[in-house]
Parts: sequence; structure tokens; C-alpha cells
Amino acid sequence: DTGVSQNPRHKITKRGQNVTFRCDPISEHNRLYWYRQTLGQGPEFLTYFQNEAQLEKSRLLSDRFSAERPKGSFSTLEIQRTEQGDSAMYLCASSDQPFESEAFFGQGTRLTVV
Amino acid sequence: AQSVSQHNHHVILSEAASLELGCNYSYGGTVNLFWYVQYPGQHLQLLLKYFSGDPLVKGIKGFEAEFIKSKFSFNLRKPSVQWSDTAEYFCAVWMDSSYKLIFGSGTRLLVRP
Repeated sequence: DTGVSQNPRHKITKRGQNVTFRCDPISEHNRLYWYRQTLGQGPEFLTYFQNEAQLEKSRLLSDRFSAERPKGSFSTLEIQRTEQGDSAMYLCASSDQPFESEAFFGQGTRLTVV
Repeated sequence: AQSVSQHNHHVILSEAASLELGCNYSYGGTVNLFWYVQYPGQHLQLLLKYFSGDPLVKGIKGFEAEFIKSKFSFNLRKPSVQWSDTAEYFCAVWMDSSYKLIFGSGTRLLVRP
């Protein structure tokens, strides 16, 4: 399968713990996006990378959230000191030139903070 | 603020009924427009897209959408729905000033056999 891959698919953690998610985009896609989706809502933009550079972060991304894409390939999203309000589906997507707006989404990581 | 609105949150139809889901956005510049579908337990999949040219675009599974620039709308249509169309549908807009997709809140469609 050459689509966007996300791991893990599900994560249950206790409040206050740190979690890290991984996203492997479609090979050679230079743009990578993180979104968050809660029940009954559409995906909300969190951040995006062009190659290894993080070019934009949403105000939704508090200081407890950090994302990296060290070699311009896979990306990680870390949440420190998780809170119950962090429970959501975290989606990764990738795109490439010339149709950079056409994003391909992964299956998502469902986070439950208890 | 740039936003995308989907007015129908829940739609229930019988098989063979016609479908139209509304999508409006607030932005006066150049846009690329998308409809994504999310079947139960699956990831977001692209249904159709508009970049430029003919404002009536056709997608997979018999879906089509019409871009009406003057109304800032991109409504999704299907003449005859099937039970397998039961899913959540999201309108998304790429605005040339933002470099990211902005999604509507989604419409949950239930098609009764």
C-alpha cells in the first residue's frame, strides 16, 4: 500500500502522560499536514511541513504539542502532559506539486485520554 | 475569517432519492474545492475536486458538484443514492492565501434501503 500510513491506529493514555504519533506520507510528497478531528466536526488544521520545514502552526497547537519532520519524510506529532480535551482523531495528510492542494489522508490515530 | 459552511448536518434519504448537499465558503480570492467522503471506519477519501475550467465537475460513484463563484458555493449532487452511499461528507476549500485545506463540519448521510 503506497498511501499515507499512520501509527498507532489507537492510543489510550492516562492524563498527564506523553504520547507520540507517527505519519509516513506518500513517497516523495513534499507537503505533510496534521489535522485533528473530533466527533461531529470536520478536520481542523494543526500544522504543515514543506519538506523538513514547519511553515505554519495553528493556534490550536498549544505549547504541549510539537511536530517534527526531520528528514522531510516521515513526521511525528508529540503531545506532552495529555489532557482529556486532547481526545480526538489525529489525521495526517500529504500532497505534492503541482496539485499541492489535493491532500491524501491516512487512517488516523484515535487518541483517548482517560 | 475564512470559513466553510455545510448547512445540512444530518440527511436521511431512501434509496433512489436525489441528493444535494450544500457547501458555502467565505473568501474572495482563488480557491480549489473538494468533497471528501468518509465511510464508516474508513479514512477520508477524495470524491471530487475543482481547480479551474468547467464549473460542473464529476467525481467517483456518480457524484457531481457545481461551483457557483457568485454564490461562493460548491454543492454536491447525486441523482439517485444507494444504500452504500451512507457516509459522512466533507466539503473542503483551499484558499490561495492559506496553503491548507479548510473543512466544513460535515454532513452525515443515511440512506435507507
